[in-house]
Amino acid sequence: GAGVSQTPSNKVTEKGKYVELRCDPISGHTALYWYRQSLGQGPEFLIYFQGTGAADDSGLPNDRFFAVRPEGSVSTLKIQRTERGDSAVYLCASSPAGPWGTEAFFGQGTRLTVV
Amino acid sequence: GESVGLHLPTLSVQEGDNSIINCAYSNSASDYFIWYKQESGKGPQFIIDIRSNMDKRQGQRVTVLLNKTVKHLSLQIAATQPGDSAVYFCAETGAAGTYKYIFGTGTRLKVLA
Repeated sequence: GAGVSQTPSNKVTEKGKYVELRCDPISGHTALYWYRQSLGQGPEFLIYFQGTGAADDSGLPNDRFFAVRPEGSVSTLKIQRTERGDSAVYLCASSPAGPWGTEAFFGQGTRLTVV
Repeated sequence: GESVGLHLPTLSVQEGDNSIINCAYSNSASDYFIWYKQESGKGPQFIIDIRSNMDKRQGQRVTVLLNKTVKHLSLQIAATQPGDSAVYFCAETGAAGTYKYIFGTGTRLKVLA
């Protein structure tokens, strides 16, 4: 597709359930990022992939959060035993390979609501 | 639906005036900076970037100024239009070779007709 695609756009789940959020990056982009954005705040870094490997997962808040990118393209963010505090917009971004310092293109986000 | 920026600092400007949005960044080693625009219900959209070896960069109707001495970044929008109404975030990366973008808290720009 032309841009970063995230599905679903909205997800409502019950506390304690497991959820998966999907990201389709721009074709050819080797770098992929997950961010979380709470109301009234800037996006907060979660994890960064270069190819298939997680180059930096320092932003994952705890071990309930996990992300994969098995073939170096589509990525899935997985959240186990969801809590109400996990409610936020989860943003995915991708950028092309190359020298450091290139813009990241963001998707529309998945709004996760834990009830 | 949810609205980005309900509790953010707000800058109100008259249509046609120039806007200046400021940002203080945290890491003196940061080498690359981006301004993003975010409209309600959408992901951040790239506006303009600047590298640390520059102090000014111009785009179409936008200019970014970087003052490394005081770790300050500003975005100037010329002839502000209603379509410029959004939340604006600055983002920094660390030293060369790092890809993590650290976002500021954002400023909501309201354009008054």
